[in-house]
Amino acid sequence: NAGVTQTPKFRILKIGQSMTLQCTQDMNHNYMYWYRQDPGMGLKLIYYSVGAGITDKGEVPNGYNVSRSTTEDFPLRLELAAPSQTSVYFCASSYRQGGNYGYTFGSGTRLTVV
Amino acid sequence: GENVEQHPSTLSVQEGDSAVIKCTYSDSASNYFPWYKQELGKRPQLIIDIRSNVGEKKDQRIAVTLNKTAKHFSLHITETQPEDSAVYFCAALGNTGNQFYFGTGTSLTVIP
Repeated sequence: NAGVTQTPKFRILKIGQSMTLQCTQDMNHNYMYWYRQDPGMGLKLIYYSVGAGITDKGEVPNGYNVSRSTTEDFPLRLELAAPSQTSVYFCASSYRQGGNYGYTFGSGTRLTVV
Repeated sequence: GENVEQHPSTLSVQEGDSAVIKCTYSDSASNYFPWYKQELGKRPQLIIDIRSNVGEKKDQRIAVTLNKTAKHFSLHITETQPEDSAVYFCAALGNTGNQFYFGTGTSLTVIP
């Protein structure tokens, strides 16, 4: 299994540009998440999904959109990039089975908005 | 929602000493508490977790304790080694069972 795969690893955007961060998992996990991690800070939840066709806002959803058309894919969309969105973005997935959660992170996308 | 606080933000210890990181949470319904280790430039990796029906769990040099009454849990690393240097995050599973709430992290440095 590849686990959770994120692309791209690095990206520089100009203010006002748009982009999609891709996230794919091959573990058949129902739950998927997008976090942002600012320098020296913890992880803030942007959006999450408990299954295909279902998405919910996390703590910091403004400026982002997501979709979950399949179990495997959970892309994150930035429509009008702003400097405040400069951060490292982590996608994660998990399962729930008998009290186990199997939480797995992707390798991250480092985004700079200039 | 849940609020997780983590202390200290930075911690330096001599190699061989113990390190303790503490977290508190606000939602008494939270029932699962994982700890993650993040090395520089890498993804967070789960190192140990504990459920609310257990008071302590050990895995070699790492242990986690949970006090449900006081709503705090702690990570204990004994006989620290330079490779333990990293940022450690605690987390709590919120009462809906869908969201994890993370602490702000502790940067641990083990001095050889």
